Amino acid sequence: GIQVEQSPPDLILQEGANSTLRCNFSDSVNNLQWFHQNPWGQLINLFYIPSGTKQNGRLSATTVATERYSLLYISSSQTTDSGVYFCAVAGTNAGKSTFGDGTTLTVKP
Amino acid sequence: DTEVTQTPKHLVMGMTNKKSLKCEQHMGHRAMYWYKQKAKKPPELMFVYSYEKLSINESVPSRFSPECPNSSLLNLHLHALQPEDSALYLCASSWDRSYEQYFGPGTRLTVT
Repeated sequence: GIQVEQSPPDLILQEGANSTLRCNFSDSVNNLQWFHQNPWGQLINLFYIPSGTKQNGRLSATTVATERYSLLYISSSQTTDSGVYFCAVAGTNAGKSTFGDGTTLTVKP
Repeated sequence: DTEVTQTPKHLVMGMTNKKSLKCEQHMGHRAMYWYKQKAKKPPELMFVYSYEKLSINESVPSRFSPECPNSSLLNLHLHALQPEDSALYLCASSWDRSYEQYFGPGTRLTVT
């Protein structure tokens, strides 16, 4: 199956700083999503982005499918951005999603 | 509305019990999923239903038995579980298998 690698595993920032999270994957993908998991376990959809660039407020994402990576940018970070960020991908076997190990972000006031 | 609901929120069961987890969506999605998430680990896919038929079973032990009675409802029947099955069980749905998945809040299961 597809291998998914996220980096860095942990990230600590001061409020107001910017950050870039990376997701590398080992094969062609038809589906790529970024999620934020809150402390209660809820997975919140950030982006559905198998290719291209999207922006939503302080967050943006870019997927370069030909080079097999995706980036999540968080600007002007806030303490509420803390949590675990997951990248999940699915290849030609539609629906068979594989999650990366996640990046744990801590934003300090 | 992009809501997926799951009940119960918490469940404690003994190893000889039989219980069921329930997941519901009213978005007209035709694909539904069960995931298992252990503490400090990513979610792992267990089952995928597409148009009410089981299309992916990730070699899950038979003590977990999924059921899709209709296009809005997905159940996970639990029987003779082990303590290592304690985890957060997440349900998701999507328009079709290649589309964006939306997750429910999960059921925290403890097996004693």
